[in-house]
Amino acid sequence: DAGITQSPRYKITETGRQVTLMCHQTWSHSYMFWYRQDLGHGLRLIYYSAAADITDKGEVPDGYVVSRSKTENFPLTLESATRSQTSVYFCASSESFWDYEQYFGPGTRLTVT
Amino acid sequence: DAKTTQPPSMDCAEGRAANLPCNHSTISGNEYVYWYRQIHSQGPQYIIHGLKNNETNEMASLIITEDRKSSTLILPHATLRDTAVYYCIVMEDTGRRALTFGSGTRLQVQP
Repeated sequence: DAGITQSPRYKITETGRQVTLMCHQTWSHSYMFWYRQDLGHGLRLIYYSAAADITDKGEVPDGYVVSRSKTENFPLTLESATRSQTSVYFCASSESFWDYEQYFGPGTRLTVT
Repeated sequence: DAKTTQPPSMDCAEGRAANLPCNHSTISGNEYVYWYRQIHSQGPQYIIHGLKNNETNEMASLIITEDRKSSTLILPHATLRDTAVYYCIVMEDTGRRALTFGSGTRLQVQP
């Protein structure tokens, strides 16, 4: 399917477990982003990537790890999940430095018990 | 990036124009105004952006005041499907390209 997809869409995990959220885009966009959205709040940037093998921290990176070995994939790993990481996670992409529009995935709802 | 202020909620009658204001009094000369919206539980959707001039596309119009301290997003004929949270974002044109979302305005279109 064309576009940007996230998996899983829903995940329940226990405190202390490692969890990986997947993001895949079919456009070969250079930029990819991970945001989290807590109940009743706007989105906050976790990490972003300008190209394969180039990543940088956003506003709330602690407790998360990212990698980008291929242009189309940008997985987000919670190394040791905590209850405060219960949130909805959105992945986004944009074509290039000159592209102002970000395309968002459908989100992953993560619950840490 | 400059801070934005939006009303927390607004109502609009279906078929009428929805005018959503945004205050960004500390905006600097190289910062753009972006508008995104988020329909319930979905990922945000880009609407429009501008720097100085008014802009229009198939979704909306963006009116930026001459001093650039405020802007208005106009949905010319609101439908029930336009019910969403609308975010006004001010961002500098740098390579970072990351968006800073505030609380937005919750627009309820009434039948």
